[in-house]
Formats: sequence, C-alpha cells, structure tokens
Amino acid sequence: KAGVTQTPRYLIKTRGQQVTLSCSPISGHRSVSWYQQTPGQGLQFLFEYFSETQRNKGNFPGRFSGRQFSNSRSEMNVSTLELGDSALYLCASSLRTAEGEQYFGPGTRLTVT
Amino acid sequence: GEDVEQSLFLSVREGDSSVINCTYTDSSSTYLYWYKQEPGAGLQLLTYIFSNMDMKQDQRLTVLLNKKDKHLSLRIADTQTGDSAIYFCAAFSGGYNKLIFGAGTRLAVHP
Repeated sequence: KAGVTQTPRYLIKTRGQQVTLSCSPISGHRSVSWYQQTPGQGLQFLFEYFSETQRNKGNFPGRFSGRQFSNSRSEMNVSTLELGDSALYLCASSLRTAEGEQYFGPGTRLTVT
Repeated sequence: GEDVEQSLFLSVREGDSSVINCTYTDSSSTYLYWYKQEPGAGLQLLTYIFSNMDMKQDQRLTVLLNKKDKHLSLRIADTQTGDSAIYFCAAFSGGYNKLIFGAGTRLAVHP
C-alpha cells in the first residue's frame, strides 16, 4: 500500500506570494492533518480534515487555509507569504479520526525569500 | 495549554540500550506515540501505546507508560548507527483533539 505523498517536495517563494501544497493520504484513509515544523517552534498543528470538512484548527492566522476533496486528497494554501512561513509542512493521514495511528508524508520544504 | 517535554539529546554506544524519556500534562491523552525523523525526511511512526496499557514491546522497541506520573519512555535495545535520528514523543489531546509533540530527542549512536 502506498504511503502518504506530498507535492511538491521543495518550494521557493517570495514574500507576498501565495502557495498551495498538496497531500494524498494512504488509500482508504479519510482524515488528513497538517503540521508545520520549524526549528524554533517545533511541530505545530495547523488543521484536520475529514470527509471534506475541517474538524479542527490550530492557532495560525487566517492566511493559512486548507480543503479536502471527495477522494480525501487535501491541499493547504498560504497567502501573503512571510519570511516566518519558511518551514517543513507535513501532512498526516489516518483512517477515521486524528486519534489513532497517524502516518506522515515526507513533507514539503517551503523557503520564503 | 497542554505540553509534552523530552530531553533534547542522548548519546549512546553502539550495541547498548537507549532510553528516551517524555512527560506530558494532558491526563485525558488516549494515545501516546513515538515517531522517528531522519534528516530531510518526514516522521515515521515507530510505535504507540493506549493510555490503559503499562507496556508495549515491538521487536527492539519497548514503551513504558506510567499514567500516574504522566511519564512515557522508549527503550531501544541493541542500538545501531541506523537508529541515529530525532525521536518525537506525542500525545493525543482529547481536549484539543490533536497531536501535541515534544521538541524531539536527538539520538547519537557512536562506535
């Protein structure tokens, strides 16, 4: 069974631009969560989607948004990029809920210049 | 808010056992996890334990949970150089309905 895939793996953007990251969960998994990893703040929860609905949201500004499609694939969008948005963005999938086994993808490394 | 704490660094000799410790604050945590992260990679789920268990063993890995003290440990037997990585402890917070991670313990294995 294929694991969680994330595209692109690396991205360089300029301040003020916007970016969209994609995550394909493990087949059959319906819950997708997003995390931001930085050296200073560690791993921070962004949001969780299940059946195309956002079930939970972390403490991030409204510039961070996401969505989930009917096939459980998810995208997250960051608008008006800031230097501090440079991070590794990780997506995790689980069968039904965020509680339980969460499997992570390789991440998208976003650099904002 | 809820918190998970772990020591930042551990150095062991190849062949020895490694023990990584973690404490958490959320008494309603139902699942507790250990993840491994190698350089440039995502997080690999190593093992997890339900909060009503005291111990779980999986090949070279042993997880011990002291629910009263909210203390979790991961023991790696016969540690190899390939075990060098950052190990994250995480607790699922029932109140916040999300995973809360520790800062990670960097394990260095030397000959």
